[in-house]
Amino acid sequence: AQTVTQSQPEMSVQEAETVTLSCTYDTSENNYYLFWYKQPPSRQMILVIRQEAYKQQNATENRFSVNFQKAAKSFSLKISDSQLGDTAMYFCAFMKWVDDKIIFGKGTRLHILP
Amino acid sequence: NAGVTQTPKFQVLKTGQSMTLQCAQDMNHNSMYWYRQDPGMGLRLIYYSASEGTTDKGEVPNGYNVSRLNKREFSLRLESAAPSQTSVYFCASSATGGSTEAFFGQGTRLTVV
Repeated sequence: AQTVTQSQPEMSVQEAETVTLSCTYDTSENNYYLFWYKQPPSRQMILVIRQEAYKQQNATENRFSVNFQKAAKSFSLKISDSQLGDTAMYFCAFMKWVDDKIIFGKGTRLHILP
Repeated sequence: NAGVTQTPKFQVLKTGQSMTLQCAQDMNHNSMYWYRQDPGMGLRLIYYSASEGTTDKGEVPNGYNVSRLNKREFSLRLESAAPSQTSVYFCASSATGGSTEAFFGQGTRLTVV
């Protein structure tokens, strides 16, 4: 069974700083997708970034980028120039190609301080 | 542009009561999911459906049943609610193959007393 581990339950950084959220996963699959979702206090789940395992290039979306290390089964999220609106729970998630089952980590609560 | 619609948004049940959480999506997605979210536990998969007519157990299926009524609708039923089922429940849907994101409903906060 696949597992997703987020080792940082909670983090705080000052506004405008850069922060990295860690995620590791365990799978025997070769083809899969990885995601980072953001959940602000509104409870809405919002996709931040997606990475296909077959792509070597790390995904980037504006201030958000990932460091995908397939051999190490690591998928960290870097937020540059952090903003107050980035305050939220962040979930790392894994999806196999073959059955679309999406498994989430326990989340990291991120506080951006003014 | 509704996306994924869950009803109800809030519910209080007494132990032993039954209820059905409804979920509908209008994006023509094949895959649908039910998750529960508890503090410190993240989102845990209860059941999912890869296509109309198929359902499969997730990580925490005990105490729940599901029905994929058609391609649009995926309901979650609690036959005899227990306090341990107090949680926030999310329905989600995605296109097959992970080529697009999973879209989530607004969640249902369920309290069992």
